[in-house]
Amino acid sequence: QVQLVQSGAELKKPGASVKVSCKASGYTFTSFYIHWVRQAPGQGLVWMGTINPSSGDTFYAQRFQGRVTMTRDTSTTTFYMELRGLTSQDTALYFCTRNSGAYHDDRVAFDYWGQGALLTVSS
Amino acid sequence: DIQMTQSPSSLSASVGDRVTVTCRASQGISHYLNWYQQQPGKAPKLLIYAASTLQSGVSSRFSGSGSGTDFTLTISSLQPEDFATYYCQQSYKTPPTFGGGTKVEIK
Repeated sequence: QVQLVQSGAELKKPGASVKVSCKASGYTFTSFYIHWVRQAPGQGLVWMGTINPSSGDTFYAQRFQGRVTMTRDTSTTTFYMELRGLTSQDTALYFCTRNSGAYHDDRVAFDYWGQGALLTVSS
Repeated sequence: DIQMTQSPSSLSASVGDRVTVTCRASQGISHYLNWYQQQPGKAPKLLIYAASTLQSGVSSRFSGSGSGTDFTLTISSLQPEDFATYYCQQSYKTPPTFGGGTKVEIK
């Protein structure tokens, strides 16, 4: 069965960086783009960016440009999202999610999600 | 970016009620609209994509309709496990954007 298993909760100080992992299993790793979505406490869902698992090409939301890097390791079928220059505004639950391919083009519908990784930024 | 506006932001209904949630896009998005359900502390779950296509394994009491700028999610007979927050999301243009959510509470 398809699974996306994320790393655990993190506590970071302002200005630090965090790297969240997302291990994929149960499907062909290179066939589905992975996206990252975050959710601040009590707030809605915000798309951060995406990575092509075959080429490693990335596309980031403008608001995170320059602060985020998404990578993948094909040998371990794991995706990573690194966020730098953390502030308290980055306190959120970070999800990796898979584009289902339902639209048969690059438009997205997210069918499988990781369990979320809670990031708390506090001094 | 395309703005997605949901209404109401919350509602309270009884088991067995028919519930409707509305989502409006700031510009036309054709049928590129998805609906998700999120239980507290859990990841979202895809319910409907392409405005009206039920995701595999999702109960048929969920349905979606609409095109262009106005969309609805309907729960035909509310069940206790439907207590959750519902989000719409457009995939017409990048970046994909979500509505603010509709919290459904069980009376």
